[in-house]
This record gives sequence, structure tokens and C-alpha cells, in this order.
Amino acid sequence: NAGVTQTPKFQVLKTGQSMTLQCAQDMNHEYMSWYRQDPGMGLRLIHYSVGAGITDQGEVPNGYNVSRSTTEDFPLRLLSAAPSQTSVYFCASSRGTSGFEQYFGPGTRLTVT
Amino acid sequence: GIQVEQSPPDLILQEGANSTLRCNFSDSVNNLQWFHQNPWGQLINLFYIPSGTKQNGRLSATTVATERYSLLYISSSQTTDSGVYFCAVESNYQLIWGAGTKLIIKP
Repeated sequence: NAGVTQTPKFQVLKTGQSMTLQCAQDMNHEYMSWYRQDPGMGLRLIHYSVGAGITDQGEVPNGYNVSRSTTEDFPLRLLSAAPSQTSVYFCASSRGTSGFEQYFGPGTRLTVT
Repeated sequence: GIQVEQSPPDLILQEGANSTLRCNFSDSVNNLQWFHQNPWGQLINLFYIPSGTKQNGRLSATTVATERYSLLYISSSQTTDSGVYFCAVESNYQLIWGAGTKLIIKP
């Protein structure tokens, strides 16, 4: 199993541009989520999904959209990038919605100029 | 919401030393995990430990759920143990993270 994969590893955007961060898992996990990590801090939840077709907002959802059309994929879209979205983005998955170990992808380092 | 506090914030040790990292949380939880973030930014799962004690080589962890704390023990530290150690607890479908303990192991 590849586990949780993310692409790209690095990305530089100009203010106002849009892009999609890709996340995929091959463990047939129901739960997937996106976090951002700013320097010197722990991770904060952006959006999560408890199954295909079901998504919900986390702690910091503004400026981001998600959809979950398949169990495997959970892309994160930045609609109009802002310098405040410069961060490292992590995708995670787990077997269920509560009480299960979460597995993290390698992260995407995004810089918005 | 639930609060997660880790201590100490920074720890500098000589290779071979032992250390104990602490995680306090403010409410009961279904899930508690310890992670190591290496200097390249990769998050590595160390333990899934909502209660009880687990050991994996030189690392062990204990969670006392009734008293709302967890401890991570690192014995015989190696330079490769350097990085940031995070505790994260589950609340309302999301992991709430502590601010981490930055560990530096000197050769």
C-alpha cells in the first residue's frame, strides 16, 4: 500500500491564483481530512469528510473548498490564493470517524507571493 | 473546546539521555496519538494510545485517561530522535494538536 499520497510536494502561487492540492489513499478509509501547519505550531483542521459525498468544515475553512466524489480521493481547492495561505498542508485518513488512528501524507509546502 | 498542552516546549539533551514528554488535555477523548515530525517535516505516527501503556523499541507511552494526561518516554536518545513531538487528541471528528515539544539531541 502507498498509504496517503499528496501532490504536488511544493507549489508557488501568485496572489489571486487558484489551484488544487491532490490527496489520495489506498487503504479504503472512510474518513479523510485536510490540515494546515504554520511555523512553530501544531496542525489545524481545514475540512474533513466522513465518506464519499459528505464533507464538513473544520476550524479554518475560509478560502478553501473540498469535494469527495470517491472513497480514495479528497482534493483541496484554493479559490483565490492569499499570502495568509502560505503554509504546509497535510492530508490524513483513518478507518472510521471516531476512535481510529489517523495516517498522514508527506505534506505540500505552498508559498503565495 | 478541548485544550491540549504539551511540556516542556523545548528540550536539549546529550545522546544517550532519557526524557519524558507530557501532554495534558482538558476533556475526555476517544483518541490520542503521538507523532514525531522530523527535520524534513514528515509526520510519523508513534503511538495510538487513548489509554494504557504501549512500547515500541526505545519509545513508550502511557495515557491515564481518567486524569487526562499522556506521557511519552524516550530512552537512550539518539541524534535521529531530534525533531518536534506532537500530541493530538480527537474531539468532534477532528484531531486537536498541542504546540509540540522541540527535542534536540546533541552528539
